[in-house]
Amino acid sequence: EVQLVESGGGLVQPGRSLRVSCAASGFTFEDYAMHWVRQAPGKGLEWVSGINWNSGRTGYADSVQGRFTISRDSATNSLFLQMNTLRSEDTALYYCARESSSGWHFDLWGRGTLITVSS
Amino acid sequence: QSALTQPRSVSGSPGQSVTISCTGTSSDVGYYNYVSWYQQHPGKAPKLVIYDVSKRPSGVPDRFSGSKYGNTASLTISGLQAEDEADYYCCSYAGTYTWVFGTGAKVTVL
Repeated sequence: EVQLVESGGGLVQPGRSLRVSCAASGFTFEDYAMHWVRQAPGKGLEWVSGINWNSGRTGYADSVQGRFTISRDSATNSLFLQMNTLRSEDTALYYCARESSSGWHFDLWGRGTLITVSS
Repeated sequence: QSALTQPRSVSGSPGQSVTISCTGTSSDVGYYNYVSWYQQHPGKAPKLVIYDVSKRPSGVPDRFSGSKYGNTASLTISGLQAEDEADYYCCSYAGTYTWVFGTGAKVTVL
């Protein structure tokens, strides 16, 4: 089955770090660019970060630039998001999303992992 | 990276058509033909319904259509059905490997 499964969410204190993961299955992971998109409770979608197929190109939203790092491991078909210096405004459901083979849009989504930043 | 502007809500009766606008800038929507639209039902992950401004993925009903003029993209749902009630988000590539989503619009079927 073609799917993305996120993990690693939870409650974390402001200023601390957390790494979330996304396990891909059912497709050739190394052929696709991958992204993280988040949604704060009751709010809209926000693109967070993206990485191309060979990790040669990455991008970040201004709101996380310098604090978050995206990476991937083709050996384990996994996508990661290392989040440092977390803030209360980072509280959200974090979705892993696959960029279509034709590029520029997201054709497969996970169910998300919830991160709550609070003391 | 400012969010694209969408109306907060739109509504229509079954069988009618509704159009959701998505206004960006000459650096995103106006520059790239990489506007996509996503449908999100409560508690569910987003689902792609339109990509590259006006293309429909397989399996998406042809009552969903997209267009763009200048810095504004639009999603039209024709022959509105109860199952179309959901939140809809536009998204555009914004250059330098960044993307931007719209503020989201809630579609209500009266």
